Amino acid sequence: QSALTQTASVSGSPGQSITISCYGTSSDVGTYNLVSWFQQHPGKAPKLIIYDVSKRPSGVSNRFSGSKSGNTASLTISGLQAEDEADYYCCSYAGRSTNYVFGTGTKVTVL
Amino acid sequence: QVQLVQSGAEVKKPGASVKVSCKASGYTFIDYYVHWVRQAPGQGLEWVGWINPNSGGTKFAQKFQGRVTMTLDMSISTAYMELNRLTSDDTAVYYCARELAARRFFDLWGRGTLVTVSS
Repeated sequence: QSALTQTASVSGSPGQSITISCYGTSSDVGTYNLVSWFQQHPGKAPKLIIYDVSKRPSGVSNRFSGSKSGNTASLTISGLQAEDEADYYCCSYAGRSTNYVFGTGTKVTVL
Repeated sequence: QVQLVQSGAEVKKPGASVKVSCKASGYTFIDYYVHWVRQAPGQGLEWVGWINPNSGGTKFAQKFQGRVTMTLDMSISTAYMELNRLTSDDTAVYYCARELAARRFFDLWGRGTLVTVSS
């Protein structure tokens, strides 16, 4: 099972909105509404920010939103802030055989 | 406090084995699967496998099958991951993370354990 494909890097100015795409296949993203997103700051553990495609855990800013269309999932960060500068990973359930597959990761830079 | 506390960094020689622990606290241990995810230096996240504390059942990513073992010590709410026949490609930070049974996302992570494989 190959990793999900993400754009390597995305940048934006404070206050802007950016979108990160996560390209999967009909075996993972396209079949299951079980996509999650993680934020990872340097030297830190990943933090869950979106689950079940578009749900936010308690305590996560509503500036983070998720969606899915076909085999592609997306994470949008609105009102970009300096603290949003981090790596972001998508993850999809991929069935009983493969179980889970992560994206390649996207580095978000706040200009 | 709800947390997963992992064991300290390890340095191993090629061909050796490593066993990393993950101690859960602040929640009902049997209600959540424990997953292991690794991250090589400068690289992305890679799912290794899970263990179900309720049944002891396990599931591993295909590339680790035959080389990884996951076990439990229910008396201290701790999960273990042992990886055998280490190579330099296994140098990575190994994270444990929990999943509320069958919810398919990881809502709590440990801080990670750096495993370095070097001769």
